[in-house]
Amino acid sequence: KNEVEQSPQNLTAQEGEFITINCSYSVGISALHWLQQHPGGGIVSLFMLSSGKKKHGRLIATINIQEKHSSLHITASHPRDSAVYICAANLFGNEKLTFGTGTRLTIIP
Amino acid sequence: DVKVTQSSRYLVKRTGEKVFLECVQDMDHENMFWYRQDPGLGLRLIYFSYDVKMKEKGDIPEGYSVSREKKERFSLILESASTNQTSMYLCASSPSRRGYTFGSGTRLTVV
Repeated sequence: KNEVEQSPQNLTAQEGEFITINCSYSVGISALHWLQQHPGGGIVSLFMLSSGKKKHGRLIATINIQEKHSSLHITASHPRDSAVYICAANLFGNEKLTFGTGTRLTIIP
Repeated sequence: DVKVTQSSRYLVKRTGEKVFLECVQDMDHENMFWYRQDPGLGLRLIYFSYDVKMKEKGDIPEGYSVSREKKERFSLILESASTNQTSMYLCASSPSRRGYTFGSGTRLTVV
């Protein structure tokens, strides 16, 4: 079993819908990251969280340390949000990232 | 903005060739990483370096070696390229767990 699990694997939604992608982890972590990868492109770091909530434009990331769970929300989704979203964690004492398998998001105009 | 530059976007090499993938970062980050990304397998760590001349094996180091002679440059070496090393290769750097910056990737095809 992977230490970092993401759901759903694939998500298709209409433009304007509110999107939620979930990430759960089974071990202690020092930080959780949300990454975005457009088709054929490199990876962009969206958020790094160790507690609470962060917001950047239409993107919101939350983390619940007790429940070992994080969510990435996109409000007023747009076709340009179509990408793979990857959750990754620094396990305690570890510089390396442990990755979820990614969520492929498609927003239909 | 921190920049991580990978020397090639696309590369085609023949089986048995020695291949160098170069990665340069411009923000004095201690840590640098090489990953490969394959459909259905996600991102897997090949090697990691936490300082000049220091390296640590990742999850799939077989068939690869690395070099970090200067802080800003981390090279991935395929000693004898094989077709199963056809993949997307991504470099990243980090100032000690304070966020990661990724390069735009090198899509390597070994024929």
